Amino acid sequence: AQSVAQPEDQVNVAEGNPLTVKCTYSVSGNPYLFWYVQYPNRGLQFLLKYITGDNLVKGSYGFEAEFNKSQTSFHLKKPSALVSDSALYFCAVRDRATGANNLFFGTGTRLTVIP
Amino acid sequence: NAGVTQTPKFRVLKTGQSMTLLCAQDMNHEYMYWYRQDPGMGLRLIHYSVGEGTTAKGEVPDGYNVSRLKKQNFLLGLESAAPSQTSVYFCASSYPPTGVFPLYEQYFGPGTRLTVT
Repeated sequence: AQSVAQPEDQVNVAEGNPLTVKCTYSVSGNPYLFWYVQYPNRGLQFLLKYITGDNLVKGSYGFEAEFNKSQTSFHLKKPSALVSDSALYFCAVRDRATGANNLFFGTGTRLTVIP
Repeated sequence: NAGVTQTPKFRVLKTGQSMTLLCAQDMNHEYMYWYRQDPGMGLRLIHYSVGEGTTAKGEVPDGYNVSRLKKQNFLLGLESAAPSQTSVYFCASSYPPTGVFPLYEQYFGPGTRLTVT
């Protein structure tokens, strides 16, 4: 079975400080991993993905994520947080069983950036 | 381009009533999906479609039906609504995972907030 876990429901960080939102995964075979962001009353927006290659993946709005195979993690990071980064963040893994692009999502982490 | 649009944005139903949620996309995507989002549970896949005229069950399909009569539209039906179906429903679409550099990411609509009393 494939799954992702987001161990923190809430992350608070001061504006200008680095931020990390954690994600761990459980898959058989090579994982295809994604981060999405959801702003209030909006749909999910794609941030970045890891399919293969460099373990450090860069995405939209200055976000990046580090794939760590030994720790089965895919943590989202940003060097300097902005108040506008406050949102709900979801980690997801592609379902390799169906051949479709189905995703299994984590439960989400609410990021609050404090001015 | 409008991307992925969903109709309606809000709806309140009484237990036992039926309704259809409409999803439309103008990106010529082959694949379309319906998810529900509940607090503390993330998004869960209800049904999906890999092409016009084809549908398949996802993780939580019970109580829902879908149809994909046109490539650009994906309809989600509730035949007899129950309070447990109170949720926010999201539609998404994507390209198929084919080609030299396949695109796996999904594009989401703004959601429909459904309350069943």
